[in-house]
Amino acid sequence: SQTIHQWPATLVQPVGSPLSLECTVEGTSNPNLYWYRQAAGRGLQLLFYSVGIGQISSEVPQNLSASRPQDRQFILSSKKLLLSDSGFYLCAWSPLAGISTDTQYFGPGTRLTVL
Amino acid sequence: AQSVAQPEDQVNVAEGNPLTVKCTYSVSGNPYLFWYVQYPNRGLQFLLKYITGDNLVKGSYGFEAEFNKSQTSFHLKKPSALVSDSALYFCAVRGRGSGNTGKLIFGQGTTLQVKP
Repeated sequence: SQTIHQWPATLVQPVGSPLSLECTVEGTSNPNLYWYRQAAGRGLQLLFYSVGIGQISSEVPQNLSASRPQDRQFILSSKKLLLSDSGFYLCAWSPLAGISTDTQYFGPGTRLTVL
Repeated sequence: AQSVAQPEDQVNVAEGNPLTVKCTYSVSGNPYLFWYVQYPNRGLQFLLKYITGDNLVKGSYGFEAEFNKSQTSFHLKKPSALVSDSALYFCAVRGRGSGNTGKLIFGQGTTLQVKP
């Protein structure tokens, strides 16, 4: 069966510090991968998605970047964190690209607090 | 433009009573529709989806949803609510023709509070 991992689970960082959040998927190949941010426990904002290694699409201009160095690894980064980067970050995957009926499956999330 | 609306920020229901969480959508063509549930400080869990076929879709934990094309709605229902159903519920839509990206558009979420 497929599983998705995110780490760390929680993170407290000072303003201006760098960030690296990691997401990995097991039990599948060539997944679509997604990074979302959830502010104040409400709506989800899609930040990045990837349909393959090295292929990253950004949904909104921001202080963050994403990379996909391996097929099942998705990394969210920042060189300098802002207060507004605080939130709950969720990674998700969906099965092989091109099958448009497929469901997204979410990881457990990372709670980021920027002070 | 594609969009999803969940008109209620919160729904309150007594345990044992039926519950409905509303969702309406706007998308060109026939949509793929999804419901997810989120418990505090957790990721989203998939409940059910409508792709085609029977308008009544059954999902996890006794939930079901009814697709109504004329009203562009996909309301989530359960015949008898449990206290443990209390959580945040998200409706999502994917328009056909979104290519291979698999992107979903999520509603703002509805908090379900089931009181004993």
